[in-house]
Amino acid sequence: DAGVIQSPRHEVTEMGQEVTLRCKPISGHNSLFWYRQTMMRGLELLIYFNNNVPIDDSGMPEDRFSAKMPNASFSTLKIQPSEPRDSAVYFCASSFSGTTLRYGYTFGSGTRLTVV
Amino acid sequence: ELKVEQNPLFLSMQEGKNYTIYCNYSTTSDRLYWYRQDPGKSLESLFVLLSNGAVKQEGRLMASLDTKARLSTLHITAAVHDLSATYFCAVDRLTNAGKSTFGDGTTLTVKP
Repeated sequence: DAGVIQSPRHEVTEMGQEVTLRCKPISGHNSLFWYRQTMMRGLELLIYFNNNVPIDDSGMPEDRFSAKMPNASFSTLKIQPSEPRDSAVYFCASSFSGTTLRYGYTFGSGTRLTVV
Repeated sequence: ELKVEQNPLFLSMQEGKNYTIYCNYSTTSDRLYWYRQDPGKSLESLFVLLSNGAVKQEGRLMASLDTKARLSTLHITAAVHDLSATYFCAVDRLTNAGKSTFGDGTTLTVKP
Protein backbone atom coordinates (compact mmCIF):
# COMPACT_ATOMS: atom_id res chain seq x y z
CA ASP A 1 0.00 0.00 0.00
CA ALA A 2 1.30 3.47 -0.85
CA GLY A 3 0.11 4.89 2.45
CA VAL A 4 -1.88 8.08 2.86
CA ILE A 5 -1.27 10.26 -0.17
CA GLN A 6 -1.52 14.03 0.07
CA SER A 7 -1.19 16.61 -2.66
CA PRO A 8 0.31 19.01 -3.27
CA ARG A 9 3.42 18.65 -1.08
CA HIS A 10 4.04 22.38 -1.15
CA GLU A 11 1.74 25.24 -2.01
CA VAL A 12 2.56 28.92 -2.16
CA THR A 13 -0.36 31.20 -2.82
CA GLU A 14 -1.31 34.83 -2.54
CA MET A 15 -3.65 36.09 0.11
CA GLY A 16 -7.26 35.90 -1.02
CA GLN A 17 -6.77 32.96 -3.33
CA GLU A 18 -8.57 29.66 -2.96
CA VAL A 19 -6.50 26.68 -1.85
CA THR A 20 -7.52 23.03 -2.12
CA LEU A 21 -5.63 20.28 -0.36
CA ARG A 22 -6.25 16.67 -1.32
CA CYS A 23 -5.98 13.37 0.51
CA LYS A 24 -6.29 9.73 -0.47
CA PRO A 25 -6.56 7.51 2.63
CA ILE A 26 -5.41 3.92 2.93
CA SER A 27 -7.85 1.51 1.37
CA GLY A 28 -10.00 -0.11 4.06
CA HIS A 29 -9.56 2.67 6.59
CA ASN A 30 -12.86 4.14 7.71
CA SER A 31 -11.72 7.23 9.61
CA LEU A 32 -10.03 10.27 8.11
CA PHE A 33 -8.59 13.25 9.93
CA TRP A 34 -7.31 16.67 8.89
CA TYR A 35 -4.72 18.28 11.17
CA ARG A 36 -2.84 21.55 11.04
CA GLN A 37 0.58 21.97 12.60
CA THR A 38 2.39 25.20 13.40
CA MET A 39 5.18 26.11 15.78
CA MET A 40 2.90 28.36 17.78
CA ARG A 41 -0.18 26.13 18.12
CA GLY A 42 1.26 22.66 17.68
CA LEU A 43 -0.90 19.89 16.22
CA GLU A 44 -4.57 20.87 15.87
CA LEU A 45 -7.41 18.62 14.76
CA LEU A 46 -9.51 20.47 12.21
CA ILE A 47 -12.14 17.91 11.24
CA TYR A 48 -12.62 14.18 11.07
CA PHE A 49 -14.81 11.80 9.14
CA ASN A 50 -16.02 8.33 9.98
CA ASN A 51 -17.41 6.25 7.11
CA ASN A 52 -17.30 9.39 4.94
CA VAL A 53 -19.52 11.33 7.34
CA PRO A 54 -18.16 14.43 9.12
CA ILE A 55 -18.25 13.69 12.84
CA ASP A 56 -16.64 16.72 14.43
CA ASP A 57 -15.68 19.94 12.68
CA SER A 58 -15.32 22.04 15.81
CA GLY A 59 -11.63 22.55 15.08
CA MET A 60 -12.24 24.26 11.76
CA PRO A 61 -11.01 27.81 12.38
CA GLU A 62 -13.79 29.67 10.59
CA ASP A 63 -16.12 29.61 7.64
CA ARG A 64 -13.25 30.08 5.24
CA PHE A 65 -12.39 26.43 5.83
CA SER A 66 -14.44 23.57 4.44
CA ALA A 67 -13.83 19.84 4.02
CA LYS A 68 -15.51 17.12 2.04
CA MET A 69 -15.24 13.39 1.72
CA PRO A 70 -17.33 12.39 -1.28
CA ASN A 71 -16.21 8.75 -1.10
CA ALA A 72 -14.04 6.42 0.92
CA SER A 73 -10.94 7.10 -1.16
CA PHE A 74 -10.82 10.88 -1.37
CA SER A 75 -11.08 13.97 0.78
CA THR A 76 -10.44 17.67 0.25
CA LEU A 77 -9.77 20.58 2.55
CA LYS A 78 -10.51 23.96 1.03
CA ILE A 79 -9.57 27.42 2.24
CA GLN A 80 -11.33 30.33 0.59
CA PRO A 81 -10.13 33.04 0.82
CA SER A 82 -6.70 32.18 2.18
CA GLU A 83 -4.88 34.44 4.65
CA PRO A 84 -1.23 34.57 5.77
CA ARG A 85 -2.18 33.14 9.18
CA ASP A 86 -3.29 29.96 7.43
CA SER A 87 0.34 29.19 6.64
CA ALA A 88 1.08 25.82 8.22
CA VAL A 89 1.67 22.17 7.48
CA TYR A 90 -1.60 20.36 6.92
CA PHE A 91 -1.64 16.63 7.59
CA CYS A 92 -4.20 14.10 6.57
CA ALA A 93 -4.36 10.84 8.52
CA SER A 94 -6.46 7.73 8.24
CA SER A 95 -7.15 4.77 10.48
CA PHE A 96 -9.41 1.83 10.94
CA SER A 97 -11.72 2.15 13.92
CA GLY A 98 -14.30 -0.36 15.05
CA THR A 99 -16.16 -1.17 18.20
CA THR A 100 -13.52 -3.62 19.38
CA LEU A 101 -10.58 -3.05 17.10
CA ARG A 102 -8.54 0.10 16.80
CA TYR A 103 -5.27 0.95 15.13
CA GLY A 104 -3.22 4.08 15.27
CA TYR A 105 -3.26 6.71 12.60
CA THR A 106 -1.27 6.60 9.41
CA PHE A 107 -0.29 10.12 8.50
CA GLY A 108 0.34 11.48 5.06
CA SER A 109 3.48 13.42 4.23
CA GLY A 110 1.69 16.70 4.71
CA THR A 111 1.13 19.81 2.61
CA ARG A 112 3.24 22.81 3.50
CA LEU A 113 1.08 25.85 2.77
CA THR A 114 2.53 29.33 2.56
CA VAL A 115 0.17 32.26 2.04
CA VAL A 116 1.93 35.49 1.11
CA GLU B 1 -13.18 16.19 28.19
CA LEU B 2 -10.17 13.97 27.60
CA LYS B 3 -6.86 15.70 28.15
CA VAL B 4 -3.38 14.39 27.55
CA GLU B 5 -0.31 15.88 29.19
CA GLN B 6 3.26 15.06 28.33
CA ASN B 7 6.34 15.98 30.23
CA PRO B 8 8.86 17.18 29.76
CA LEU B 9 8.03 19.17 26.63
CA PHE B 10 11.68 19.61 25.80
CA LEU B 11 14.48 17.23 26.65
CA SER B 12 18.16 17.55 25.90
CA MET B 13 20.29 14.57 26.76
CA GLN B 14 23.73 13.17 26.18
CA GLU B 15 24.35 10.15 24.07
CA GLY B 16 24.51 6.98 26.10
CA LYS B 17 22.19 8.24 28.85
CA ASN B 18 18.77 6.90 29.84
CA TYR B 19 15.64 8.95 30.23
CA THR B 20 11.87 8.65 30.48
CA ILE B 21 9.06 10.66 28.89
CA TYR B 22 5.75 10.69 30.71
CA CYS B 23 2.22 10.81 29.34
CA ASN B 24 -0.76 11.36 31.65
CA TYR B 25 -4.35 11.33 30.52
CA SER B 26 -7.41 12.57 32.33
CA THR B 27 -10.11 9.94 31.86
CA THR B 28 -10.42 6.25 31.16
CA SER B 29 -9.20 5.39 27.69
CA ASP B 30 -9.09 2.24 25.62
CA ARG B 31 -5.95 2.69 23.56
CA LEU B 32 -2.71 4.58 23.96
CA TYR B 33 -0.36 5.35 21.08
CA TRP B 34 3.13 6.72 20.73
CA TYR B 35 4.20 8.53 17.55
CA ARG B 36 7.50 9.92 16.40
CA GLN B 37 7.99 13.01 14.22
CA ASP B 38 11.38 13.84 12.74
CA PRO B 39 12.03 17.52 11.98
CA GLY B 40 10.22 18.56 8.81
CA LYS B 41 8.61 15.15 8.45
CA SER B 42 5.29 13.50 9.16
CA LEU B 43 4.26 11.52 12.21
CA GLU B 44 5.00 7.81 12.35
CA SER B 45 3.30 5.31 14.63
CA LEU B 46 5.66 3.64 17.11
CA PHE B 47 3.57 1.70 19.60
CA VAL B 48 -0.02 0.82 20.41
CA LEU B 49 -0.74 -0.14 24.02
CA LEU B 50 -4.03 -1.85 24.66
CA SER B 51 -4.22 -2.97 28.26
CA ASN B 52 -2.94 -2.38 31.76
CA GLY B 53 0.64 -3.52 32.16
CA ALA B 54 1.28 -3.64 28.43
CA VAL B 55 4.90 -3.18 27.44
CA LYS B 56 6.25 -2.77 23.93
CA GLN B 57 9.88 -2.43 22.94
CA GLU B 58 11.67 -1.57 19.76
CA GLY B 59 15.37 -0.94 19.79
CA ARG B 60 16.25 1.61 22.45
CA LEU B 61 12.63 2.61 23.05
CA MET B 62 10.30 0.90 25.48
CA ALA B 63 6.72 1.98 26.14
CA SER B 64 4.55 0.89 29.04
CA LEU B 65 1.01 1.52 30.20
CA ASP B 66 -0.53 1.78 33.66
CA THR B 67 -4.25 2.29 33.16
CA LYS B 68 -4.95 2.64 36.88
CA ALA B 69 -2.59 5.57 37.14
CA ARG B 70 -3.60 6.78 33.66
CA LEU B 71 0.06 6.95 32.82
CA SER B 72 2.27 5.79 30.00
CA THR B 73 6.03 6.05 29.88
CA LEU B 74 8.43 6.02 26.96
CA HIS B 75 11.83 4.94 28.20
CA ILE B 76 14.94 5.68 26.20
CA THR B 77 17.96 3.48 26.82
CA ALA B 78 21.47 4.55 25.91
CA ALA B 79 20.30 7.38 23.69
CA VAL B 80 21.85 7.92 20.28
CA HIS B 81 21.64 10.97 18.03
CA ASP B 82 19.22 9.20 15.66
CA LEU B 83 16.57 9.27 18.37
CA SER B 84 16.37 13.06 18.19
CA ALA B 85 12.74 13.78 17.26
CA THR B 86 9.43 14.89 18.72
CA TYR B 87 7.45 12.14 20.44
CA PHE B 88 3.69 12.37 20.80
CA CYS B 89 1.39 10.22 22.87
CA ALA B 90 -2.29 9.95 22.05
CA VAL B 91 -5.29 8.19 23.58
CA ASP B 92 -8.75 7.31 22.43
CA ARG B 93 -11.92 5.53 23.44
CA LEU B 94 -13.77 2.95 21.43
CA THR B 95 -16.90 5.10 21.72
CA ASN B 96 -15.18 8.01 20.02
CA ALA B 97 -15.54 7.02 16.36
CA GLY B 98 -11.80 6.78 15.90
CA LYS B 99 -10.73 10.14 17.24
CA SER B 100 -7.52 10.27 19.28
CA THR B 101 -6.52 13.07 21.62
CA PHE B 102 -2.87 14.02 21.28
CA GLY B 103 -0.45 15.42 23.81
CA ASP B 104 1.67 18.46 22.94
CA GLY B 105 4.71 16.36 22.15
CA THR B 106 8.16 16.02 23.72
CA THR B 107 11.04 17.31 21.64
CA LEU B 108 14.10 15.20 22.31
CA THR B 109 17.58 16.33 21.36
CA VAL B 110 20.40 13.87 21.83
CA LYS B 111 23.82 15.47 21.90
CA PRO B 112 27.13 13.72 21.31
